[in-house]
Amino acid sequence: KQEVTQIPAALSVPEGENLVLNCSFTDSAIYNLQWFRQDPGKGLTSLLLIQSSQREQTSGRLNASLDKSSGRSTLYIAASQPGDSATYLCAAPNSGNTPLVFGKGTRLSVIA
Amino acid sequence: NAGVMQNPRHLVRRRGQEARLRCSPMKGHSHVYWYRQLPEEGLKFMVYLQKENIIDESGMPKERFSAEFPKEGPSILRIQQVVRGDSAAYFCASSPLRDYGYTFGSGTRLTVV
Repeated sequence: KQEVTQIPAALSVPEGENLVLNCSFTDSAIYNLQWFRQDPGKGLTSLLLIQSSQREQTSGRLNASLDKSSGRSTLYIAASQPGDSATYLCAAPNSGNTPLVFGKGTRLSVIA
Repeated sequence: NAGVMQNPRHLVRRRGQEARLRCSPMKGHSHVYWYRQLPEEGLKFMVYLQKENIIDESGMPKERFSAEFPKEGPSILRIQQVVRGDSAAYFCASSPLRDYGYTFGSGTRLTVV
């Protein structure tokens, strides 16, 4: 059964700093991995979807990498802004099939 | 494309009443997933449905909870005889194919009083 762990649980950084969020998963037989953002009291917004054949995906200031062999993914945020403050969630499929299993998230605060 | 639509956004029920949560997937998406998020906890999978079929309900409590996704109309998550512990945010997601990324709705926040 898939287990997803995210560290750190919370992170506070000054505006402009580059940062890395970590995600690890126990079952590497996954066909994709997805990163989401959740603002307080809101739904989830998909940020990046990495297929198993890919090593990374980029969207604007965000870059996500995937290393299936080590069971790890990272989300890199460049030049952080206060608007980036949110909870970031990593999700991987359960044993190669649906459904997605979520980590508990990293709560990011970017201080102006 | 209106995205995944969930209604109502907020729902208040007294203990013992029934709660019905609706989810309309994105156009062209035939796979629907329901998740529950308790305060300060992560998202927990409840049920995965395709049109007219329940594919995986391993996360659904055995009693009082049921889900359907009829040929026509939205997917419905039904909670009978609600208790205070059912208070949570319930999210629906959809995907066009089984191994594609998920798109989430804004959720229904259920409060049981």
